[in-house]
Amino acid sequence: DAKTTQPPSMDCAEGRAANLPCNHSTISGNEYVYWYRQIHSQGPQYIIHGLKNNETNEMASLIITEDRKSSTLILPHATLRDTAVYYCIDVQTGANNLFFGTGTRLTVIP
Amino acid sequence: DTAVSQTPKYLVTQMGNDKSIKCEQNLGHDTMYWYKQDSKKFLKIMFSYNNKELIINETVPNRFSPKSPDKAHLNLHINSLELGDSAVYFCASSQEGSMYGYTFGSGTRLTVV
Repeated sequence: DAKTTQPPSMDCAEGRAANLPCNHSTISGNEYVYWYRQIHSQGPQYIIHGLKNNETNEMASLIITEDRKSSTLILPHATLRDTAVYYCIDVQTGANNLFFGTGTRLTVIP
Repeated sequence: DTAVSQTPKYLVTQMGNDKSIKCEQNLGHDTMYWYKQDSKKFLKIMFSYNNKELIINETVPNRFSPKSPDKAHLNLHINSLELGDSAVYFCASSQEGSMYGYTFGSGTRLTVV
């Protein structure tokens, strides 16, 4: 079962930054934090992952607290196409299963 | 080119029938998966498979069986379909040791009537 907790839903104005929090207070030292999203009627899509350092790629930034018990996914300039369910998952190194929780439904509002 | 492709995209069938869903990946990944997303939108792993090991989620009925003719394919066979099998089924793949996540297919919506 998923070991992360996320708010069930959030709204964000188009063009503003969307900050999606995730609590993973039981994360262990060899577990990474992964973020995926699922746009309506599509398969989940990988966004970003990190261990303890903050990460940035072309899609998003990931901020991980120093104690690694929580993280925030940042979409710097949300667009309508970013409306989706966002999943935060902790994954053990070498593990071959992703356990999805209920995620956060982000709605970007025009 | 689609990285992970599933066919068919939609499947409507009667209770008691046997059906298959095909999945192919052209990424050279060594592990493939099947996930089920029910009407409440929960995504649950059913199987993971590479050329060494098949891992089955113990909650999956034995009417479901994955079959892999080669490394690039993992098909899902379902016998004696039941109404509760109606869901969207997603195939995915990953490369062992890679840090860049899973790649998912676009899903097969199965409706049992």
